[in-house]
Amino acid sequence: NAGVTQTPKFRILKIGQSMTLQCTQDMNHNYMYWYRQDPGMGLKLIYYSVGAGITDKGEVPNGYNVSRSTTEDFPLRLELAAPSQTSVYFCASSYSIGGERRSNTEAFFGQGTRLTVV
Amino acid sequence: GDSVTQMEGPVTLSEEAFLTINCTYTATGYPSLFWYVQYPGEGLQLLLKATKADDKGSNKGFEATYRKETTSFHLEKGSVQVSDSAVYFCALHTGTASKLTFGTGTRLQVTL
Repeated sequence: NAGVTQTPKFRILKIGQSMTLQCTQDMNHNYMYWYRQDPGMGLKLIYYSVGAGITDKGEVPNGYNVSRSTTEDFPLRLELAAPSQTSVYFCASSYSIGGERRSNTEAFFGQGTRLTVV
Repeated sequence: GDSVTQMEGPVTLSEEAFLTINCTYTATGYPSLFWYVQYPGEGLQLLLKATKADDKGSNKGFEATYRKETTSFHLEKGSVQVSDSAVYFCALHTGTASKLTFGTGTRLQVTL
């Protein structure tokens, strides 16, 4: 029962380098999310997707890109790493019927990726 | 837009003390409400949820009641244990917003 799988668990990047954080879910969830969690802070939404081929910006999208070519995968791309992007990144997924009707969604989270930019 | 406000931590309690962590929200539509818990070094796990007004979510001795009139979803536990030490996040989801919105989290430290 894999759930949401994130790779890598840890990474150190130099300023200006790029990398992709991988996220895969096997629950056939339509919604997927990327959050960052800074030390002592809550979660801030970077990007989210309501289905394959559809992505939208969250609160803090600058410096990141995403794609959603399949239901299962939602990679997060950092093009030019900056020290301000040092954080723990969490991917999550959920199922929602959306629209005006009540949603009954539980989000499942990956274990996180701890990224340090030096 | 949607928002969640939680009481600031850290909250420090002795074992077997009563716990309340306040959470209020602002949302359009009909939100579902959640409490998530994050143990040290781990991702978030769902603790409990409620999907409509007056529903009570409960799990592992924790409870929270969806109060539409006060737009609140306070987390309570009658007797905390050292193993409950973690960060607790209140969150909401509305279909119209198409995303989860989290509070800033409240760190709970339980001592012997």
